[in-house]
Amino acid sequence: DGGITQSPKYLFRKEGQNVTLSCEQNLNHDAMYWYRQDPGQGLRLIYYSQIVNDFQKGDIAEGYSVSREKKESFPLTVTSAQKNPTAFYLCASSIDGSGTKYGYTFGSGTRLTVV
Amino acid sequence: AQSVTQLDSHVSVSEGTPVLLRCNYSSSYSPSLFWYVQHPNKGLQLLLKYTSAATLVKGINGFEAEFKKSETSFHLTKPSAHMSDAAEYFCVVSGEDNYGQNFVFGPGTRLSVLP
Repeated sequence: DGGITQSPKYLFRKEGQNVTLSCEQNLNHDAMYWYRQDPGQGLRLIYYSQIVNDFQKGDIAEGYSVSREKKESFPLTVTSAQKNPTAFYLCASSIDGSGTKYGYTFGSGTRLTVV
Repeated sequence: AQSVTQLDSHVSVSEGTPVLLRCNYSSSYSPSLFWYVQHPNKGLQLLLKYTSAATLVKGINGFEAEFKKSETSFHLTKPSAHMSDAAEYFCVVSGEDNYGQNFVFGPGTRLSVLP
C-alpha cells in the first residue's frame, strides 16, 4: 500500500544535539511538507518542497533544516538552534504543489522530546 | 488571505446522539475545503473534501459536510456518535494560488463521546 512513513515514532534529544526525523513516501507525490504540532496550537508549517532539490521556508523555519535529494524523501533536522523542540512533528505530501484538488496525505508523526 | 475558524474548541456528545462540528472560512477564491481527523498520537486522516462539485459531501465513517457559500460554512455532521469518533477534528481551506502555503488549518475541535 502507498503511504508516508515517518521514523522514529518517538525520539529523545539531549540539549545541544541535532537530530534528524525521517519522512519517506511511495505515493509518487511531487510536494512534501513538515508541520509542527503543539497542544492547543494546531499545525504550523516548518518547511515545504514542491520538487526535488528545492524547498521553501514555512512560518516557523528557524532552528530547522531540510533536504530534498530524492522525490521520495524529505528529512527534517532539528538543530541545537531550535530552543523549544519538544513537539509532535508531522510530514505530509500532495500530488501537486497546492493540495487543492486531492488534499494532503499525512504520516503517523514523530514525537520529539528534549531530555 | 485565507482563514478558518472552528467555533468550538471542545464538543462533548453522548454515544448515539448527533455530532455537529462547526467550521467557517474566509477565502478570496473559490475554495476547496477538507475535514481531517486525528486520533491521539496519530497522523491526520482525510474524512471528506469539497472541491466545487456537490455541496453535500459524504465521507468515511458516516460523516458528511455541507458547503454553504452564502454562510461561508462547512460544518461536519454525523447522525449518531460512536465511541471511536472521539478525536481531534481539523477543518482546512485551500484554493489561493500560494503553492506550498496553500493549506490553511483551523485550530481544531476536540470531540469527546460519553457512554
